[in-house]
Amino acid sequence: EAGVAQSPRYKIIEKRQSVAFWCNPISGHATLYWYQQILGQGPKLLIQFQNNGVVDDSQLPKDRFSAERLKGVDSTLKIQPAKLEDSAVYLCANLQGWGGYTFGSGTRLTVV
Amino acid sequence: GDSVTQMEGPVTLSEEAFLTINCTYTATGYPSLFWYVQYPGEGLQLLLKATKADDKGSNKGFEATYRKETTSFHLEKGSVQVSDSAVYFCALRVSGGSNYKLTFGKGTLLTVNP
Repeated sequence: EAGVAQSPRYKIIEKRQSVAFWCNPISGHATLYWYQQILGQGPKLLIQFQNNGVVDDSQLPKDRFSAERLKGVDSTLKIQPAKLEDSAVYLCANLQGWGGYTFGSGTRLTVV
Repeated sequence: GDSVTQMEGPVTLSEEAFLTINCTYTATGYPSLFWYVQYPGEGLQLLLKATKADDKGSNKGFEATYRKETTSFHLEKGSVQVSDSAVYFCALRVSGGSNYKLTFGKGTLLTVNP
């Protein structure tokens, strides 16, 4: 089966600008996650979707971050306005039947 | 809350050396345990997993045993190769409900020199 596709691979923006990331998950997989991986740290969950619905967004900075998953397939994560501390790799993942995840290659965001 | 603690890196070894990366965890309930690997420029890939106490996960010559008594899941390999150079993440997932959230450690950078 195809993997999790993410775009863009890299993005550089100035602080206070907005940015959006896109994720195309594995076909038919209902559960989708967005993780933030800051350099030198492990990935941290931002939001979990089950089909179109949000299961957990407790660690999503809702004053600037938003995410949606239309029709239970593709998902977008948006940051508006970006801060310097948002520089990180943003990872999208699907839950597999055996209980682990399949990750996309991620989008590396640099805020200057 | 749930947490994972990994040994601090970076770890630098010569080819064919023995590798141990320590991982301990704190969890409510009975977690499943994972090791993920991130090669340079690539996404996270599952390396191995164990779902209950005393299970041993293995893949590509790497092994880790789920030790409930010491709450540990140390990663080992008898003879590392240059191609094993990567960042290794220990992670746990506590089953229950619909929230299958993975909690990761900070990662350990391994560099293997020829």
